[in-house]
Amino acid sequence: QQQVKQSPQSLIVQKGGISIINCAYENTAFDYFPWYQQFPGKGPALLIAIRPDVSEKKEGRFTISFNKSAKQFSLHIMDSQPGDSATYFCAARDNFNKFYFGSGTKLNVKP
Amino acid sequence: DSGVTQTPKHLITATGQRVTLRCSPRSGDLSVYWYQQSLDQGLQFLIHYYNGEERAKGNILERFSAQQFPDLHSELNLSSLELGDSALYFCASNRIRGAGELFFGEGSRLTVL
Repeated sequence: QQQVKQSPQSLIVQKGGISIINCAYENTAFDYFPWYQQFPGKGPALLIAIRPDVSEKKEGRFTISFNKSAKQFSLHIMDSQPGDSATYFCAARDNFNKFYFGSGTKLNVKP
Repeated sequence: DSGVTQTPKHLITATGQRVTLRCSPRSGDLSVYWYQQSLDQGLQFLIHYYNGEERAKGNILERFSAQQFPDLHSELNLSSLELGDSALYFCASNRIRGAGELFFGEGSRLTVL
């Protein structure tokens, strides 16, 4: 049973466009929702994260929107650039400090 | 550089063999997590250690085992290897209940022939 469901599996966006990746969860005990970015051959690296008492967090071109009642959160990448081409993982942490990852979204930003 | 060190970076071995993957967490981090990432797949949680004690187990096969030593480094042992064990194995560390960020190493790529 997958605790965090992520979509889409892959995404192609033109340079300058908006990339949107969605995640949904079931466990209301999750208390921390990070997004990780992974380039080929590298380990995932934290991109941006949010706690459930906040509905939105923005860092530069990256924004997390969080809907607690719907148990959904999403990553928006504004003005997408070819350098943003990577695999993105959403995740959620439970109160045992265990992290559950989504299945990943492979983003390709075309020049 | 995340501060998490994993060795070896690449490993090629044969079916039936046993390998050990090593992880040194960031300085001061007490928690170590192991994840498996198969080709184009997500991150499958294997096991979590905190200060030498096992805290949680995920979908870890009985052929796999891990431990965390007093100096906080961790080892993941994979035995009776099968072709399907070929994957990237990531180690991550963090300070329990801290900022929550997991810091990942660059992974160990295991190829079983």
